[in-house]
Amino acid sequence: GEDVEQSLFLSVREGDSSVINCTYTDSSSTYLYWYKQEPGAGLQLLTYIFSNMDMKQDQRLTVLLNKKDKHLSLRIADTQTGDSAIYFCAERTDSNYQLIWGAGTKLIIKP
Amino acid sequence: KAGVTQTPRYLIKTRGQQVTLSCSPISGHRSVSWYQQTPGQGLQFLFEYFSETQRNKGNFPGRFSGRQFSNSRSEMNVSTLELGDSALYLCASSEGANNSPLHFGNGTRLTVT
Repeated sequence: GEDVEQSLFLSVREGDSSVINCTYTDSSSTYLYWYKQEPGAGLQLLTYIFSNMDMKQDQRLTVLLNKKDKHLSLRIADTQTGDSAIYFCAERTDSNYQLIWGAGTKLIIKP
Repeated sequence: KAGVTQTPRYLIKTRGQQVTLSCSPISGHRSVSWYQQTPGQGLQFLFEYFSETQRNKGNFPGRFSGRQFSNSRSEMNVSTLELGDSALYLCASSEGANNSPLHFGNGTRLTVT
């Protein structure tokens, strides 16, 4: 069936780049999304990419999509303490209107 | 534009009771989706409403129900509460088209004792 996988944790030093990875199984994906969830809050839409794109950049965020390998990544440049959160990737496909969600990656910032 | 508003933020209920949660979408958004988030199960899709009609439904028992009003506001009801219903309930709105991203509220934290 359809599945989206992410590592549960990522630890980086403040000021370094963070790269959060996501793999998906459904090749009919149309849009892929990245959301951020801070403690006690809902999910905040960070960015999304259409499946015919390879890359999208938005200030400190860079999304890379490798459709052949079904691999999506989110790079956060110059990681700050405010970036501490759980990051979810989600996939929308042709066959399923609803989003398919990863389990979330908790980003831990070391001083 | 104001964001998605969910009320109340916190609720404590006793097993067997029922509860109603409310969601006001972003102005102009016609689709409202509900999710349950727990540490063990992650994000689980409950249902989605579009123009007052349930358009999609997840795999939850009939104790979980919802509705949408003509102004796109939505309510979710859980009857005969169980301890396992303790969770963060998230509402998300979108314009409703297939490529429309979801915008989430801050959720309602439900604790069942």
